[in-house]
Amino acid sequence: DAGVIQSPRHEVTEMGQEVTLRCKPISGHDYLFWYRQTMMRGLELLIYFNNNVPIDDSGMPEDRFSAKMPNASFSTLKIQPSEPRDSAVYFCASSHWAFSGNTIYFGEGSWLTVV
Amino acid sequence: QKEVEQDPGPLSVPEGAIVSLNCTYSNSAFQYFMWYRQYSRKGPELLMYTYSSGNKEDGRFTAQVDKSSKYISLFIRDSQPSDSATYLCAMSAGAAGNKLTFGGGTRVLVKP
Repeated sequence: DAGVIQSPRHEVTEMGQEVTLRCKPISGHDYLFWYRQTMMRGLELLIYFNNNVPIDDSGMPEDRFSAKMPNASFSTLKIQPSEPRDSAVYFCASSHWAFSGNTIYFGEGSWLTVV
Repeated sequence: QKEVEQDPGPLSVPEGAIVSLNCTYSNSAFQYFMWYRQYSRKGPELLMYTYSSGNKEDGRFTAQVDKSSKYISLFIRDSQPSDSATYLCAMSAGAAGNKLTFGGGTRVLVKP
């Protein structure tokens, strides 16, 4: 299996620009997660989906952030407008609830720098 | 106070030594406990998974959970330079949503 695939791996953008991060989960997984990792706050859950439906978006920092999952094999996380404090590594992860109990598989991350 | 506390390190040990890592937590509802390893500029990868209290061994790795003390540990025996990474503990209350809460991670350096 190819694992969780994220793109872009690195993005540098100017403040105010729109940023779109993309994720392809592992085939057959019915949960998809978006995490953000910073030195100060560690790994934080932003939002997660079950069967393409958003279940908990309480971790989304503000209205500038939005996430969609139009089908089982694709999800996006969008930041509009972006701000320097959004600079972080954004991880997508997926899991199948019935497999090995809550084991989540992470992608390699999208490294975002907002200048 | 964070729900899951983990010493950030760094923890530096000589090759062959035992690495001891731990996390404390405050939410008594946590039932699933995991350890992830994260190499520099990579995503976390699952190392060990434990349900409820007890010990679990996998090769050089041993995970321990003490729910009465709200304390979990990971031991790495015969440490190797390739074990140098950040180790994150993670836990969840149940299967509903698989919502994990992570510790901040401990950076480990194994010196040849």
